[in-house]
Amino acid sequence: AQTVTQSQPEMSVQEAETVTLSCTYDTSENNYYLFWYKQPPSRQMILVIRQEAYKQQNATENRFSVNFQKAAKSFSLKISDSQLGDTAMYFCAFMKHGAGTYKYIFGTGTRLKVLA
Amino acid sequence: DAGVTQSPTHLIKTRGQQVTLRCSPKSGHDTVSWYQQALGQGPQFIFQYYEEEERQRGNFPDRFSGHQFPNYSSELNVNALLLGDSALYLCASSLWTATYNEQFFGPGTRLTVL
Repeated sequence: AQTVTQSQPEMSVQEAETVTLSCTYDTSENNYYLFWYKQPPSRQMILVIRQEAYKQQNATENRFSVNFQKAAKSFSLKISDSQLGDTAMYFCAFMKHGAGTYKYIFGTGTRLKVLA
Repeated sequence: DAGVTQSPTHLIKTRGQQVTLRCSPKSGHDTVSWYQQALGQGPQFIFQYYEEEERQRGNFPDRFSGHQFPNYSSELNVNALLLGDSALYLCASSLWTATYNEQFFGPGTRLTVL
């Protein structure tokens, strides 16, 4: 069975600074996706970034980038130039790849607070 | 393009009662998954529907059941409510045959069991 671990329950960062959120996972699958989702107080889960396991290049979306270490089963999220609107819960998620739609396995989340 | 919608937004029930939550998938999507998110936790997969059949199920008791209609919308039913069923219930939709099956989430239904 797959598991996702986020070891940082809470983090804070000053506005305009950089912060890194950690995530590790365990799986015997070779083909899978990894995601970071943001959940603000409005509760809507918003996809921040995704990574396909077969791609060696780390994904980047504007101020958000990941450090994907497949052998170490590590998938961290770096937020550059943090903004007040980045304040939210962040969830790391795993989904195996294949025909059909598979379930997400989520971590327990990291609460990020961006300080003015 | 309408995203995933869920109703109601909030719901208060008492122990032993039954509840039905509803979800309309994003336009063009045919697969609906349901997740339970307890306070301070990550979402936990309940089950998934495609072609009006339950395709996958997580570790939830039979009190949790669902249905998918021909228009792809879905319902989640919970019988004999327990205090521990209090949570945010999230619906996510996707396209079964897509190469990359990103799931789009709705805003959730907050269920409180007293």
